[in-house]
Amino acid sequence: QVQLVESGGGVVQPGGSLRLSCAASGFTFSSYGMHWVRQAPGKGLEWVAFIRYDGSNKYYADSVKGRFTISRDNSKNTLYLQMNSPRAEDTAVYYCAKDLALIMDYWGQGTLVTVSS
Amino acid sequence: DIVMTQSPDSLAVSLGERATINCKSSQSVLYSSNNRNYLAWYQQRPGQPPKLLIYWASTRESGVPDRFSGSGSGTDFTLTINSLQAEDVAVYYCQQYYNTPPWTFGQGTKVEIK
Repeated sequence: QVQLVESGGGVVQPGGSLRLSCAASGFTFSSYGMHWVRQAPGKGLEWVAFIRYDGSNKYYADSVKGRFTISRDNSKNTLYLQMNSPRAEDTAVYYCAKDLALIMDYWGQGTLVTVSS
Repeated sequence: DIVMTQSPDSLAVSLGERATINCKSSQSVLYSSNNRNYLAWYQQRPGQPPKLLIYWASTRESGVPDRFSGSGSGTDFTLTINSLQAEDVAVYYCQQYYNTPPWTFGQGTKVEIK
């Protein structure tokens, strides 16, 4: 069965950095694109970033472009989100999600990131 | 970017009754070459991650009860929950994947028991 387990969340100061990880199992990780989606406290879902199966293409929401970097290590079945210069408005639960033909078919449980001094 | 707008923001339905959620996209998400609507519905129960319910506007994901159905085409879509059960209490989101990036979601509709 597909499992996605996020980690790396916590409290980070504005302007600091944090790296989130998503460990994947139960499917051939190297064959699928992957997303990061976030949800601010009490708010709706916001897509953050997407990476193709081989890492050849990466796409970002305007709200994080130039500050966040999505990457993957197919040898470790792991997806990453490097968060640089976070702002208070980046406070959210961050989910990784598996892509199937542009559809997000499986989601992890999420990891909470709080940006605060 | 395609803007997704759901209505209502919340609704309360009695157990066993029908719940209807609407979703409107700011432009058509129907791809004429394959006649498919690039529209998905997700369910998010309290304290849980989202779960895929329906894709291509009307195709139920494996394991999703048949009381959930999706309909619509072009810019107007509906998620119907027939015979509401207690476990259906959740926030429901529509999402377009026609014009990506970005993938865009509706604001969510909260379904409660009356």
